Amino acid sequence: EVQLVQSGGGLVKPGGSLRLSCAGSGFTFSNFWMTWVRQAPGKGLQWVGRIKHKPDGGTTDYAAPVKDRFTISRDDSKNTVSLQMNSLRTEDTAVYYCATDVGSGLEGAYDIWGQGTMVTVSS
Amino acid sequence: DIQMTQSPSTLSASVGDRVTITCRASQSISSWLAWYQQKPGKAPKLLIYKASSLQSGVPSRFSGSGSGTEFTLTISSLQSDDFATYYCQQYNRYSPTWTFGQGTKVEIK
Repeated sequence: EVQLVQSGGGLVKPGGSLRLSCAGSGFTFSNFWMTWVRQAPGKGLQWVGRIKHKPDGGTTDYAAPVKDRFTISRDDSKNTVSLQMNSLRTEDTAVYYCATDVGSGLEGAYDIWGQGTMVTVSS
Repeated sequence: DIQMTQSPSTLSASVGDRVTITCRASQSISSWLAWYQQKPGKAPKLLIYKASSLQSGVPSRFSGSGSGTEFTLTISSLQSDDFATYYCQQYNRYSPTWTFGQGTKVEIK
């Protein structure tokens, strides 16, 4: 079964750090770009950032609100992508999803999503 | 960054109604547009990709159209399972960031 399983999350104080992980199975993880999306309570989806696969340079891109605070990395030997979140703010409180486009021809439309993990930033 | 604007924000409809949701991009994204359905407490589900391609397993009552900056998602005959929130997403491969619309909640009339 093709799936993404997330771990991490929890409660952290403003200014603190947290690391989320997302493990893929059932597909060749190293062949795909991996993305993080978040959703604040009662709000819409927000694209956070992505990491390309090695053939495309393995580079990262981030949305403006998280740039320079969040870092996405991948370990293809462990089929895992991580989101390191530093200098957390109350507005970073959200459910965080990892996602990817495994299906043929999708090229960026996400057909596989993790189960989501809650991050709460509060004193 | 490319901005995506959906309308309406909320839509009240009845079972059997034809429903149309619009998504506008701040600049051309060719056909690099996806539509998702999300229900409370669940991850989004891909419905449409490349503006008009139906994702495998999605009922044919869902359809997408448009290119450039104007796109629509149509549900030809609304079913009870379709009451949810719908999002568009641009994924222009040449854009450094990808963005979602703000969502359209389809409610029971």
